[in-house]
Amino acid sequence: QQQVKQSPQSLIVQKGGISIINCAYENTAFDYFPWYQQFPGKGPALLIAIRPDVSEKKEGRFTISFNKSAKQFSLHIMDSQPGDSATYFCAASMTSARQLTFGSGTQLTVLP
Amino acid sequence: NAGVTQTPKFQVLKTGQSMTLQCAQDMNHNSMYWYRQDPGMGLRLIYYSASEGTTDKGEVPNGYNVSRLNKREFSLRLESAAPSQTSVYFCASSYLWDQETQYFGPGTRLLVL
Repeated sequence: QQQVKQSPQSLIVQKGGISIINCAYENTAFDYFPWYQQFPGKGPALLIAIRPDVSEKKEGRFTISFNKSAKQFSLHIMDSQPGDSATYFCAASMTSARQLTFGSGTQLTVLP
Repeated sequence: NAGVTQTPKFQVLKTGQSMTLQCAQDMNHNSMYWYRQDPGMGLRLIYYSASEGTTDKGEVPNGYNVSRLNKREFSLRLESAAPSQTSVYFCASSYLWDQETQYFGPGTRLLVL
């Protein structure tokens, strides 16, 4: 059972554009929602994370939007750059279990 | 400070062979994890060790065993490799009180023929 569904599977964006990746979760006990960034040949690295007490979190060009009632959250990359080309994973966890459940990943390509 | 290191980087096995994937961290983390990454499946937890001396099964433990050798090292063993275990394996570590923030190694790419 896939508890965190991620879309799209791949995304191509022009330099300077906005990249949007969406995730939906099923388990209402999830209370922590991180995004990980993975470059080819490397391990994933934490990019930004949010807890459900806020609806949005911004760090530089990266923003997480969170909709608790819809059980959805998304990553927005403003002014996308070729250096942002990577695979992005959403994830979710709950305080009681503290294990990350990952989405299936989105391969982002930003064209120069 | 190397972070999380994994050996080997790449390995080819024949069906039925055994091997051990090694992982070490130098961040004084308490918790360590093994994931496998398959296309379209994201990362799935195989085993984890919340602290030295403890190990627990994750989502996909069948066919694997683990050993938490000490605080720094956490190994993953395939006793009898199968083609379905062809994957990229990632080790990660975290503090016990912040298991949601995990630091990943560079991965081991395993091909089972």
